Amino acid sequence: KAGVTQTPRYLIKTRGQQVTLSCSPISGHRSVSWYQQTPGQGLQFLFEYFSETQRNKGNFPGRFSGRQFSNSRSEMNVSTLELGDSALYLCASTSTGGVDGYTFGSGTRLTVV
Amino acid sequence: DAKTTQPTSMDCAEGRAANLPCNHSTISGNEYVYWYRQIHSQGPQYIIHGLKNNETNEMASLIITEDRKSSTLILPHATLRDTAVYYCIVVKISSGSARQLTFGSGTQLTVLP
Repeated sequence: KAGVTQTPRYLIKTRGQQVTLSCSPISGHRSVSWYQQTPGQGLQFLFEYFSETQRNKGNFPGRFSGRQFSNSRSEMNVSTLELGDSALYLCASTSTGGVDGYTFGSGTRLTVV
Repeated sequence: DAKTTQPTSMDCAEGRAANLPCNHSTISGNEYVYWYRQIHSQGPQYIIHGLKNNETNEMASLIITEDRKSSTLILPHATLRDTAVYYCIVVKISSGSARQLTFGSGTQLTVLP
Protein backbone atom coordinates (compact mmCIF):
# COMPACT_ATOMS: atom_id res chain seq x y z
CA LYS A 1 0.00 0.00 0.00
CA ALA A 2 1.10 3.57 -0.58
CA GLY A 3 2.92 5.26 2.29
CA VAL A 4 2.53 8.72 3.74
CA THR A 5 3.08 11.28 1.00
CA GLN A 6 4.36 14.75 1.75
CA THR A 7 4.63 17.55 -0.75
CA PRO A 8 6.69 19.38 -1.67
CA ARG A 9 9.96 17.65 -0.74
CA TYR A 10 11.96 20.85 -0.69
CA LEU A 11 10.97 24.46 -0.32
CA ILE A 12 12.83 27.74 -0.08
CA LYS A 13 10.99 30.76 1.29
CA THR A 14 11.88 34.27 2.35
CA ARG A 15 11.46 35.65 5.86
CA GLY A 16 7.99 37.05 6.38
CA GLN A 17 6.34 34.83 3.79
CA GLN A 18 3.93 32.06 4.59
CA VAL A 19 4.06 28.43 3.54
CA THR A 20 1.63 25.52 3.26
CA LEU A 21 2.78 21.92 3.45
CA SER A 22 0.66 18.96 2.47
CA CYS A 23 0.36 15.42 3.79
CA SER A 24 -1.63 12.48 2.44
CA PRO A 25 -1.85 9.71 5.04
CA ILE A 26 -2.03 5.99 4.43
CA SER A 27 -5.46 4.99 3.17
CA GLY A 28 -7.73 4.29 6.13
CA HIS A 29 -5.62 6.20 8.64
CA ARG A 30 -7.62 8.97 10.27
CA SER A 31 -5.02 10.35 12.65
CA VAL A 32 -2.39 12.67 11.23
CA SER A 33 0.38 14.27 13.25
CA TRP A 34 3.02 16.83 12.35
CA TYR A 35 6.55 17.11 13.71
CA GLN A 36 9.37 19.59 13.27
CA GLN A 37 12.96 18.41 13.26
CA THR A 38 15.91 20.74 13.67
CA PRO A 39 19.54 19.98 14.56
CA GLY A 40 19.24 21.93 17.80
CA GLN A 41 15.84 20.81 19.10
CA GLY A 42 15.49 17.37 17.56
CA LEU A 43 12.04 16.02 16.74
CA GLN A 44 9.24 18.07 18.27
CA PHE A 45 5.52 17.47 18.14
CA LEU A 46 3.47 20.18 16.46
CA PHE A 47 -0.13 18.92 16.43
CA GLU A 48 -2.38 15.96 15.79
CA TYR A 49 -5.60 15.85 13.81
CA PHE A 50 -8.32 13.26 13.88
CA SER A 51 -11.57 13.46 11.93
CA GLU A 52 -10.88 17.06 10.96
CA THR A 53 -10.40 18.13 14.59
CA GLN A 54 -7.19 19.11 16.30
CA ARG A 55 -6.86 16.74 19.25
CA ASN A 56 -3.49 17.71 20.57
CA LYS A 57 -1.07 20.58 20.14
CA GLY A 58 2.58 21.01 20.97
CA ASN A 59 4.34 24.06 22.30
CA PHE A 60 4.63 26.14 19.16
CA PRO A 61 3.51 29.72 18.48
CA GLY A 62 0.22 30.50 16.79
CA ARG A 63 2.03 31.08 13.50
CA PHE A 64 1.94 27.32 13.13
CA SER A 65 -1.47 25.99 12.23
CA GLY A 66 -2.97 23.04 10.49
CA ARG A 67 -6.13 21.47 9.29
CA GLN A 68 -7.45 18.13 8.17
CA PHE A 69 -9.92 17.46 5.41
CA SER A 70 -12.73 14.93 5.25
CA ASN A 71 -10.51 12.54 3.25
CA SER A 72 -7.95 12.71 6.12
CA ARG A 73 -5.43 14.65 4.07
CA SER A 74 -3.80 17.35 6.15
CA GLU A 75 -2.07 20.64 5.60
CA MET A 76 0.05 22.71 7.90
CA ASN A 77 0.66 26.41 7.49
CA VAL A 78 3.39 28.60 8.87
CA SER A 79 2.84 32.33 8.59
CA THR A 80 5.36 35.15 8.90
CA LEU A 81 8.29 32.83 8.43
CA GLU A 82 11.40 33.27 10.54
CA LEU A 83 14.90 31.98 9.89
CA GLY A 84 14.45 29.58 12.81
CA ASP A 85 11.57 27.87 11.05
CA SER A 86 14.05 26.23 8.72
CA ALA A 87 13.58 22.55 9.44
CA LEU A 88 12.46 19.17 8.23
CA TYR A 89 8.69 18.95 8.69
CA LEU A 90 7.41 15.42 9.09
CA CYS A 91 3.91 14.08 8.86
CA ALA A 92 2.84 10.78 10.40
CA SER A 93 -0.37 8.81 10.29
CA THR A 94 -1.84 5.95 12.26
CA SER A 95 -5.04 3.98 12.52
CA THR A 96 -7.84 4.98 14.83
CA GLY A 97 -7.42 4.45 18.54
CA GLY A 98 -5.21 1.44 18.32
CA VAL A 99 -1.67 0.77 19.40
CA ASP A 100 -0.21 0.57 15.92
CA GLY A 101 2.90 2.57 15.33
CA TYR A 102 2.94 5.74 13.31
CA THR A 103 4.05 5.71 9.69
CA PHE A 104 6.07 8.77 8.80
CA GLY A 105 6.48 10.46 5.47
CA SER A 106 9.84 11.50 4.07
CA GLY A 107 9.25 15.08 5.12
CA THR A 108 9.40 18.52 3.60
CA ARG A 109 12.70 20.33 3.93
CA LEU A 110 11.91 24.01 4.44
CA THR A 111 14.67 26.59 4.17
CA VAL A 112 13.92 30.18 5.15
CA VAL A 113 16.34 32.78 3.80
CA ASP B 1 4.35 10.25 29.20
CA ALA B 2 7.34 8.70 30.96
CA LYS B 3 10.79 9.89 30.04
CA THR B 4 13.40 7.55 28.62
CA THR B 5 17.17 7.34 28.87
CA GLN B 6 19.32 5.87 26.12
CA PRO B 7 23.07 5.78 25.48
CA THR B 8 24.19 8.44 23.04
CA SER B 9 25.97 6.07 20.70
CA MET B 10 26.84 2.43 20.13
CA ASP B 11 28.85 0.44 17.62
CA CYS B 12 28.12 -3.06 16.40
CA ALA B 13 29.96 -5.36 14.02
CA GLU B 14 28.11 -6.34 10.89
CA GLY B 15 26.39 -9.70 11.26
CA ARG B 16 26.37 -9.55 15.04
CA ALA B 17 23.39 -8.83 17.25
CA ALA B 18 22.86 -5.20 18.21
CA ASN B 19 21.39 -4.74 21.68
CA LEU B 20 20.08 -1.25 22.35
CA PRO B 21 19.08 -0.51 25.95
CA CYS B 22 16.48 1.95 27.21
CA ASN B 23 15.57 2.98 30.74
CA HIS B 24 12.03 4.10 31.51
CA SER B 25 11.89 3.81 35.27
CA THR B 26 8.81 6.04 35.66
CA ILE B 27 6.67 4.11 33.21
CA SER B 28 3.07 3.60 34.29
CA GLY B 29 0.75 0.67 33.75
CA ASN B 30 -0.98 1.91 30.61
CA GLU B 31 2.11 3.10 28.82
CA TYR B 32 3.59 1.21 25.91
CA VAL B 33 7.22 1.12 24.84
CA TYR B 34 7.79 1.98 21.18
CA TRP B 35 10.96 1.88 19.13
CA TYR B 36 11.56 3.92 16.01
CA ARG B 37 14.67 4.51 13.98
CA GLN B 38 15.70 7.30 11.67
CA ILE B 39 18.16 6.92 8.89
CA HIS B 40 19.81 10.18 7.97
CA SER B 41 17.41 12.71 6.41
CA GLN B 42 14.51 10.26 6.22
CA GLY B 43 11.36 10.11 8.31
CA PRO B 44 11.42 7.90 11.41
CA GLN B 45 10.51 4.28 10.82
CA TYR B 46 8.40 2.29 13.27
CA ILE B 47 10.16 -0.87 14.45
CA ILE B 48 8.25 -2.53 17.25
CA HIS B 49 6.23 -1.88 20.39
CA GLY B 50 5.24 -3.73 23.55
CA LEU B 51 3.41 -3.38 26.84
CA LYS B 52 4.86 -6.04 29.14
CA ASN B 53 5.50 -9.17 27.13
CA ASN B 54 8.50 -9.68 24.91
CA GLU B 55 7.72 -9.07 21.27
CA THR B 56 9.30 -10.15 17.99
CA ASN B 57 8.66 -9.19 14.40
CA GLU B 58 10.54 -9.41 11.14
CA MET B 59 12.74 -6.47 12.05
CA ALA B 60 13.64 -6.91 15.69
CA SER B 61 12.88 -8.28 19.15
CA LEU B 62 11.84 -6.24 22.15
CA ILE B 63 12.69 -7.48 25.61
CA ILE B 64 10.92 -5.70 28.49
CA THR B 65 12.02 -6.39 32.06
CA GLU B 66 9.47 -7.80 34.47
CA ASP B 67 9.23 -4.51 36.39
CA ARG B 68 8.91 -2.70 33.02
CA LYS B 69 11.52 -0.14 34.03
CA SER B 70 13.80 -0.93 31.15
CA SER B 71 13.81 -2.59 27.77
CA THR B 72 16.22 -3.76 25.09
CA LEU B 73 15.78 -3.66 21.36
CA ILE B 74 17.61 -6.49 19.62
CA LEU B 75 18.54 -6.47 15.96
CA PRO B 76 19.60 -10.11 15.56
CA HIS B 77 21.96 -9.76 12.60
CA ALA B 78 22.91 -6.15 12.09
CA THR B 79 23.71 -4.92 8.59
CA LEU B 80 25.25 -1.68 7.39
CA ARG B 81 21.75 -0.49 6.50
CA ASP B 82 20.80 -0.64 10.18
CA THR B 83 23.07 2.34 10.88
CA ALA B 84 20.61 4.93 12.20
CA VAL B 85 19.43 6.83 15.25
CA TYR B 86 17.20 4.60 17.38
CA TYR B 87 14.53 6.17 19.56
CA CYS B 88 12.86 4.53 22.54
CA ILE B 89 9.54 6.22 23.34
CA VAL B 90 6.96 5.58 26.02
CA VAL B 91 3.39 6.41 25.08
CA LYS B 92 0.13 6.26 26.98
CA ILE B 93 -2.49 4.57 24.84
CA SER B 94 -6.20 4.79 25.52
CA SER B 95 -8.88 4.23 22.95
CA GLY B 96 -9.68 7.27 20.86
CA SER B 97 -7.49 9.63 22.82
CA ALA B 98 -4.93 12.01 21.46
CA ARG B 99 -1.34 10.97 21.68
CA GLN B 100 2.00 12.36 20.75
CA LEU B 101 5.46 10.92 20.43
CA THR B 102 8.06 12.62 22.59
CA PHE B 103 11.40 11.95 20.97
CA GLY B 104 14.55 12.15 23.04
CA SER B 105 18.05 12.24 21.60
CA GLY B 106 18.08 8.53 20.78
CA THR B 107 21.04 6.22 20.28
CA GLN B 108 23.22 6.55 17.21
CA LEU B 109 23.93 2.96 16.18
CA THR B 110 26.82 2.52 13.79
CA VAL B 111 27.23 -0.88 12.20
CA LEU B 112 30.85 -1.47 11.30
CA PRO B 113 31.97 -3.66 8.38
